[in-house]
Formats: sequence, structure tokens, C-alpha cells
Amino acid sequence: DGGITQSPKYLFRKEGQNVTLSCEQNLNHDAMYWYRQDPGQGLRLIYYSQIVNDFQKGDIAEGYSVSREKKESFPLTVTSAQKNPTAFYLCASSIRASGVYEQYFGPGTRLTVT
Amino acid sequence: DAKTTQPNSMESNEEEPVHLPCNHSTISGTDYIHWYRQLPSQGPEYVIHGLTSNVNNRMASLAIAEDRKSSTLILHRATLRDAAVYYCILCDYSGGGADGLTFGKGTHLIIQP
Repeated sequence: DGGITQSPKYLFRKEGQNVTLSCEQNLNHDAMYWYRQDPGQGLRLIYYSQIVNDFQKGDIAEGYSVSREKKESFPLTVTSAQKNPTAFYLCASSIRASGVYEQYFGPGTRLTVT
Repeated sequence: DAKTTQPNSMESNEEEPVHLPCNHSTISGTDYIHWYRQLPSQGPEYVIHGLTSNVNNRMASLAIAEDRKSSTLILHRATLRDAAVYYCILCDYSGGGADGLTFGKGTHLIIQP
């Protein structure tokens, strides 16, 4: 099955620890994205990458870091500098078809930091 | 990206049509109108998109006003599985890049059995 895998589904960490969220896709998509969602809110863009070894900051990149060493993988590290890391994190990928980019989302990782 | 305005919530009965409105009065000529939906505790999924003409696919129909300042997502026969938050999003591809989407709070659609 083609799709986007995020692991783990639930993640618990102590305050002050860095944590890395995994995102893998086998759709052969060039572009990948990370979003954050807080309760009752829409998604907010953290980082995105249009090609391997290149990525751009989104609207709320502070306290996060990413890498894109392989086309299939786009891990997100939530650092101790992120003041409110508890949230639902969603990874997506996209490919251009008929002039637009349709994004495909993974199932998400729910991170709780205490 | 231009901003969209949607009602916070809507309620409909199962097996009836649902019309979800979206206002985008500052839309530019190159903005595409996208709709995504998010089921509880899941990632969003693409529903439909359009530029100027009305569009149909297996999931829904998109009706776009002649002046493009508003659009309506139409679910022809709602089922309980259609209960979700629906997001109306404008995307400008004139720069050519695969930039991320800008989500608002969307419309929470409640389906009554």
C-alpha cells in the first residue's frame, strides 16, 4: 500500500528533552511538510521541503528542526526550545498534478510533554 | 494566501444534501480553491479543488460563484462517515512552488442519524 507512515502514534516525553518524530512516504512525492495542530484549531505549517537536501521554514518553525537526506523521509525534531510542544503533529507529502499540489497526510503523532 | 471565512459548525441529517459555504472575497485571479476534510483524530484528506468552473468528483461537488468571491462544497447525500471538519483553502501556484497549506478553523459538520 502506498502512503505516509508516522510513528509512533502517541509519544510522551519529559520537559527539556529533544524528541524526533518520524515521517516516511512511499508515494515518490518530491515535497513533504510538517504541521502542528492544537485542540480546536486548524493546522499550522512548521517546515516544508520541496526537494532532497533543501527545506524552508513555515509559519511556526521556532523550536523545531528537520532534515531531508532521503526523498522518502522527513523527520522532525522538537527541541527543548519549543515552549509548548504538546500537540498533534501531522506530516504530509504532495506531487503536482493538473497544475495543483494535492497533499496527502499521515495519521499523525500525538506528543505529550510533561 | 488570501483568507477564507467559513461557519464554525453546521448540522444536517443523514441521507440529505449538505451545502458548506466558504467566502473568499479577496481571492486573486491565480488562487485555486481547495477543500480538505479531517475526520476525528486523523490527518486531513483532499476532497476537491477548482479554479473557475464547477467541479464534480466521486466525493463531492464544488460550486464556484461567477465572481469567485465565494464557493460551496456540496455533499449530495450525507452519511455518518461524512461527519468531519471541512477546510476551505486558497492556493496560489503562480510562483511554481509546493508551499504548505494555510488552514483556518474550518466548519465542523455534524450529521444526525
